Amino acid sequence: NAGVMQNPRHLVRRRGQEARLRCSPMKGHSHVYWYRQLPEEGLKFMVYLQKENIIDESGMPKERFSAEFPKEGPSILRIQQVVRGDSAAYFCASSLQPSTLYEQYFGPGTRLTVT
Amino acid sequence: KNQVEQSPQSLIILEGKNCTLQCNYTVSPFSNLRWYKQDTGRGPVSLTIMTFSENTKSNGRYTATLDADTKQSSLHITASQLSDSASYICVVSAGGGGADGLTFGKGTHLIIQP
Repeated sequence: NAGVMQNPRHLVRRRGQEARLRCSPMKGHSHVYWYRQLPEEGLKFMVYLQKENIIDESGMPKERFSAEFPKEGPSILRIQQVVRGDSAAYFCASSLQPSTLYEQYFGPGTRLTVT
Repeated sequence: KNQVEQSPQSLIILEGKNCTLQCNYTVSPFSNLRWYKQDTGRGPVSLTIMTFSENTKSNGRYTATLDADTKQSSLHITASQLSDSASYICVVSAGGGGADGLTFGKGTHLIIQP
């Protein structure tokens, strides 16, 4: 499987619970990006990570949201104490080099529903 | 502020017909422009990526044009098929190393009717 993998594909959480979204980049890619997409809206950048480092988190809310990309294993987007407004599709993308110059490859997304 | 505007917001055409989607941008400095296709419930898939020096680029029935002077791009779909029903997203890169150098349009929602 050469593509970007995300899991789970669908996640339902009650208000106040934690959501953990996982992303495995394409083989050989060390640059990972997380985006959020609300219904009928465009993709909004959240955070850009390289292995073990957060490069740019300017699009991620300061509270309740965090992201990591450890040396081993997938990248994780963590949302604590979820609220209804967190319901959205979350997409992960990876690239071989910084995405502004090189192609980004997107995963299938995780659809988070907060009840 | 860097912006990407796409038009129309939505479009319905009959199978077999051609259509053209527009993208206007105010992104500086300009590095490249990309068109993505996003099927419902799926992640975006790249169609083309064009640099400053490229005016036209084709990928099967999809042809993208770029006018860097007027800061406009178009995506032309020839002989549309039902599988072309999707959202088409224009993304402009300002270069640099950070992901905030990418500006996304809201997309054009295309529906192909039989």
